[in-house]
Amino acid sequence: AQKITQTQPGMFVQEKEAVTLDCTYDTSDPSYGLFWYKQPSSGEMIFLIYQGSYDQQNATEGRYSLNFQKARKSANLVISASQLGDSAMYFCAMREGARGSTLGRLYFGRGTQLTVWP
Amino acid sequence: NAGVTQTPKFQVLKTGQSMTLQCAQDMNHNSMYWYRQDPGMGLRLIYYSASEGTTDKGEVPNGYNVSRLNKREFSLRLESAAPSQTSVYFCASSETGLNTEAFFGQGTRLTVV
Repeated sequence: AQKITQTQPGMFVQEKEAVTLDCTYDTSDPSYGLFWYKQPSSGEMIFLIYQGSYDQQNATEGRYSLNFQKARKSANLVISASQLGDSAMYFCAMREGARGSTLGRLYFGRGTQLTVWP
Repeated sequence: NAGVTQTPKFQVLKTGQSMTLQCAQDMNHNSMYWYRQDPGMGLRLIYYSASEGTTDKGEVPNGYNVSRLNKREFSLRLESAAPSQTSVYFCASSETGLNTEAFFGQGTRLTVV
């Protein structure tokens, strides 16, 4: 089973609007961390935001926020006031913290291609 | 700030040839990773090294070997390249810990013909 599921292969949003990119995860580990990365067309991987499983509040970093719903095992990325430069591939990732066999590994989803139009 | 450096950036191999992808980080990180990225498949973990001298298989290790030469360097070897190994390869590193972000190299675009 996939540890990270991103069900939206592509999303479109108009400039200045908000957009939500979905991510669900699968783990039985009580301790885990969730990450979002951005990959522009140039190919580099850019870290955006982190949420820990024990964090009480949703993480925010500038225009990025993470809508963390632990019971639903979802960690959706919300981008407010979209900009043309936000057009990129976005990846959700998870690291488990306590189970020995997968300790430390960072697993990625298949990504969502976001296109921001003027 | 070099960060994570991968070489080469591009490579074309013939089926059956071997090659080693080099990766070095200058951030004193314990953990290092090799991923492959294929269209529609996201990043899949090939091998992982939690510390110098240790390596573990990831999701797609078949056809690859790795070597954690020292704390800085983590190489990926294709002994007998196959067209199915055509991909973009990323090396990454991170501090030990749950909340530590991974830093990525620029990627190696490998084509096996």
